[in-house]
Amino acid sequence: GAVVSQHPSWVICKSGTSVKIECRSLDFQATTMFWYRQFPKQSLMLMATSNEGSKATYEQGVEKDKFLINHASLTLSTLTVTSAHPEDSSFYICSAYGTSGIDEQFFGPGTRLTVL
Amino acid sequence: RKEVEQDPGPFNVPEGATVAFNCTYSNSASQSFFWYRQDCRKEPKLLMSVYSSGNEDGRFTAQLNRASQYISLLIRDSKLSDSATYLCVVNKRGGADGLTFGKGTHLIIQP
Repeated sequence: GAVVSQHPSWVICKSGTSVKIECRSLDFQATTMFWYRQFPKQSLMLMATSNEGSKATYEQGVEKDKFLINHASLTLSTLTVTSAHPEDSSFYICSAYGTSGIDEQFFGPGTRLTVL
Repeated sequence: RKEVEQDPGPFNVPEGATVAFNCTYSNSASQSFFWYRQDCRKEPKLLMSVYSSGNEDGRFTAQLNRASQYISLLIRDSKLSDSATYLCVVNKRGGADGLTFGKGTHLIIQP
């Protein structure tokens, strides 16, 4: 299957700082990338969908000014959590869909964010 | 009402047993259906897609009932390595759309 990487795998930061998470498709071009969030014992929730070269589409209840998404190339999308607070602590997972030849989203390994 | 509902379990079953999970979904416009597997603190991995005619992949059988908006997964001859959380997932357009996940059913296979 196609490979998606995410970096960093975990991050601990102080309240008020910004954190950038990178999602890369390594062996295919990702025309669409998705960002999900999973709180403990909860389901993965779609936060936003981004298509290369255009603005991301955010799900209801997700603040676009707080969660900045950039999908500037066909292999890279970034999620920046601005002015992070403890309630933003979660498991952030990206997925990518594109030219792999398979009608499937491929997930990155996730980033565990802890805000102190 | 949640979009995708599953019994969270845990289901504790002995190795070699057959176990079945169910889920229901609320959006009748859903067109694509999947079962994913998620291990602790890991990303979800696609187990199988689910088709209206039902489909089988080795020890795993999935069924879809569109009229009842109900999806099932059957695991035969369960192995210790089947221990995981099984996520019921739906969306409108296959891989090109954002996925709607259930909370998952936790399965523990006991030796």
